[in-house]
Amino acid sequence: QKEVEQDPGPLSVPEGAIVSLNCTYSNSAFQYFMWYRQYSRKGPELLMYTYSSGNKEDGRFTAQVDKSSKYISLFIRDSQPSDSATYLCAMKFNYGQNFVFGPGTRLSVLP
Amino acid sequence: DAGVTQSPTHLIKTRGQQVTLRCSPKSGHDTVSWYQQALGQGPQFIFQYYEEEERQRGNFPDRFSGHQFPNYSSELNVNALLLGDSALYLCASSEYGIHTDTQYFGPGTRLTVL
Repeated sequence: QKEVEQDPGPLSVPEGAIVSLNCTYSNSAFQYFMWYRQYSRKGPELLMYTYSSGNKEDGRFTAQVDKSSKYISLFIRDSQPSDSATYLCAMKFNYGQNFVFGPGTRLSVLP
Repeated sequence: DAGVTQSPTHLIKTRGQQVTLRCSPKSGHDTVSWYQQALGQGPQFIFQYYEEEERQRGNFPDRFSGHQFPNYSSELNVNALLLGDSALYLCASSEYGIHTDTQYFGPGTRLTVL
């Protein structure tokens, strides 16, 4: 079992849809959780950063962390074609530690 | 404010050769981490440098080595290149030791080994 897993996709949705992206992980010691967006042939761009369990909202993006289920989610409301990218979840045990990434989910938002 | 920069953008090498990749961190950041991202995969942690020392290392062989300079910039060296080293190499910078030490990535160097 991999340490961090994501549905690889590709996931295709129509413009304006609500998108749900998910990650599961095996190590309950993870405390810090991040979502990155990566356009083709570019470096990852930080979208959301959360500590421990709970929700965090930023514009059209909402991140949820459920540590009891070892499950994190990213919701995108009113999705746009410009949201078409690969979404990577990442997590770490403590500050100063390196990040462990999921394999990424490819999202296509169709106009 | 310049973000993380990397050079070169692309590189083509042959098996057995050596390569050096360079990274300049975001202004105000003192820590540099390097990741390898194979096609269709998430980034894999190689190592992290702070105060010119390697602080953490992932599961990569000794062929992968690095260096950090007093101005916080960093180099990644790979010796005896293998076909499997073909990947996007990402540099990420952060501020060491603070609670929200999230990492900001550069655009990457795409290495092709023939």
